[in-house]
Amino acid sequence: AQKITQTQPGMFVQEKEAVTLDCTYDTSDPSYGLFWYKQPSSGEMIFLIYQGSYDQQNATEGRYSLNFQKARKSANLVISASQLGDSAMYFCAMSPFENRDDKIIFGKGTRLHILP
Amino acid sequence: ETGVTQSPTHLIKTRGQQVTLRCSSQSGHNTVSWYQQALGQGPQFIFQYYREEENGRGNFPPRFSGLQFPNYSSELNVNALELDDSALYLCASSPMTGTPNTEAFFGQGTRLTVV
Repeated sequence: AQKITQTQPGMFVQEKEAVTLDCTYDTSDPSYGLFWYKQPSSGEMIFLIYQGSYDQQNATEGRYSLNFQKARKSANLVISASQLGDSAMYFCAMSPFENRDDKIIFGKGTRLHILP
Repeated sequence: ETGVTQSPTHLIKTRGQQVTLRCSSQSGHNTVSWYQQALGQGPQFIFQYYREEENGRGNFPPRFSGLQFPNYSSELNVNALELDDSALYLCASSPMTGTPNTEAFFGQGTRLTVV
């Protein structure tokens, strides 16, 4: 069975600093996809970044980068130059299929607070 | 905005009642997935519909059922509501299953409260 673990229930970070949100996963599938989503108080899940299990390079999307360490089964999200609008819940998630967003399994999330 | 719309946004029901939640998928998307997000938890996969057929199901009892229509919109039905069914219900739409796609588009959710 697949499992996502996010060990930081909440984090407080000063504006403009970089922040790393931790995520470890467990799976026996040979290939899989890893996602990070942002959920503001409005409730909608906003896709941030994707990493395929066979991708050689770490994914980057603007201020977001995914630090993928396959041997350690970790997929940490790094947000550079944090902004007040980054305050939200962040979820690490996994799909049992590479390059597909099917049947996603989510972690419990980390609430990020950006301080002015 | 993603183009995925859910209705209603909020709903209050009594234990034992039945509820229907609706989702209109993004244009061009024929796959719809439903998730339940209890307070303080991550979303849990309920089931997925592809071309009007159920295409995978999570660990939810049969009183959770769904439909997908020819226009790819979808409904989630829950019978015999229990207090633990209180949650945010999220719908996500995707392009054709089986093709590479890494970005599911989520709606804003329906918050169901069972009293």
